[in-house]
Amino acid sequence: AQSVTQPDIHITVSEGASLELRCNYSYGATPYLFWYVQSPGQGLQLLLKYFSGDTLVQGIKGFEAEFKRSQSSFNLRKPSVHWSDAAEYFCAVGIYGNKLVFGAGTILRVKS
Amino acid sequence: DGGITQSPKYLFRKEGQNVTLSCEQNLNHDAMYWYRQDPGQGLRLIYYSQIVNDFQKGDIAEGYSVSREKKESFPLTVTSAQKNPTAFYLCASSMGSGVTEAFFGQGTRLTVV
Repeated sequence: AQSVTQPDIHITVSEGASLELRCNYSYGATPYLFWYVQSPGQGLQLLLKYFSGDTLVQGIKGFEAEFKRSQSSFNLRKPSVHWSDAAEYFCAVGIYGNKLVFGAGTILRVKS
Repeated sequence: DGGITQSPKYLFRKEGQNVTLSCEQNLNHDAMYWYRQDPGQGLRLIYYSQIVNDFQKGDIAEGYSVSREKKESFPLTVTSAQKNPTAFYLCASSMGSGVTEAFFGQGTRLTVV
């Protein structure tokens, strides 16, 4: 069955440091992959998506993600984290029937 | 501005009562979804609808019901049969033609006491 694993429940980084959030998926067909961000008590905002083509995709707020088929991964990165990036981040895979399967999320804390 | 509106933002109900959460979108999207969010569990799909007057159960449909009488609206009823209804509920929509990104509302936090 399709699934998404985000191995890190919490991550703490210093402001200005680089960030990488891990995401692994399990899906038999060509994956459609997404990263969303959620501030406390709010809805989800799309950061970026991968459908096909270049495996390095750029998103909003300076985020990027790289699709690696051999590793079934779609890790999210940012070269320099800002305090406003503190939030929860969700990786998702789009499956048949136009549905999204989400990972459990990673909570990012930024220390000054 | 186009978007998805969920109301109310906070909802309190007594145990044993049914409650209906509202979701309206003006994005002209065909597909709409309801997710439940609990800490540490991500988002789990309750129901989804690809077209008007049609909907399918998601992974955790028991104790919930929906209707899709209009393209813009997809209300969710949490019934008394739902054993643990206290949660954060998110409504989303997408274009519906193949896999596309979903757009989310701001959520409704339901607390049952």
